[in-house]
Amino acid sequence: RKEVEQDPGPFNVPEGATVAFNCTYSNSASQSFFWYRQDCRKEPKLLMSVYSSGNEDGRFTAQLNRASQYISLLIRDSKLSDSATYLCVVNGYNFNKFYFGSGTKLNVKP
Amino acid sequence: DGGITQSPKYLFRKEGQNVTLSCEQNLNHDAMYWYRQDPGQGLRLIYYSQIVNDFQKGDIAEGYSVSREKKESFPLTVTSAQKNPTAFYLCASSMRGPQTTNEKLFFGSGTQLSVL
Repeated sequence: RKEVEQDPGPFNVPEGATVAFNCTYSNSASQSFFWYRQDCRKEPKLLMSVYSSGNEDGRFTAQLNRASQYISLLIRDSKLSDSATYLCVVNGYNFNKFYFGSGTKLNVKP
Repeated sequence: DGGITQSPKYLFRKEGQNVTLSCEQNLNHDAMYWYRQDPGQGLRLIYYSQIVNDFQKGDIAEGYSVSREKKESFPLTVTSAQKNPTAFYLCASSMRGPQTTNEKLFFGSGTQLSVL
């Protein structure tokens, strides 16, 4: 089983739609959780950290469910510029490396 | 501007040739990492270093070598022993190591390596 799993998509949505991605992680000792955005042939860039209480940044909302070991990312009012691959990243107290999901591809259509 | 600089952006390797990818950071970060990304796949860790003159193998270290003689620099050599080197290579850094809670990774812009 992979440490971090994501639905690869692609998710094809119209502009203005709300879309949600989930990511599951295997180790309950994981401590820190992030969403990164990666455009084609570019480096991943930090979108947001995910906190236990959930957190929001504009149109983006991230949530953590420790009991079920998953994190989610909700994008409201999708823009064309949101089209990218979204990577789930996890690290933990007992780990010495970061674990990456393989990414979920989002295509926002006009 | 603070950041991570990778060079070159594109690199071509001939059969039997070793090539070196450069990674420099001016963020004063302790930890540095090399990842490989193949099309449609996630990032896989090649090597990482948490302090100068020390580094550890990641999941796919065979055919690669690194050095960490300076805090700012973590070059990656792709040796001739790496039989399938074509991939997108990403260098990253973090303030401390991933065992630190809420430690974030910052990436360079990547090097696309192809075999001639």
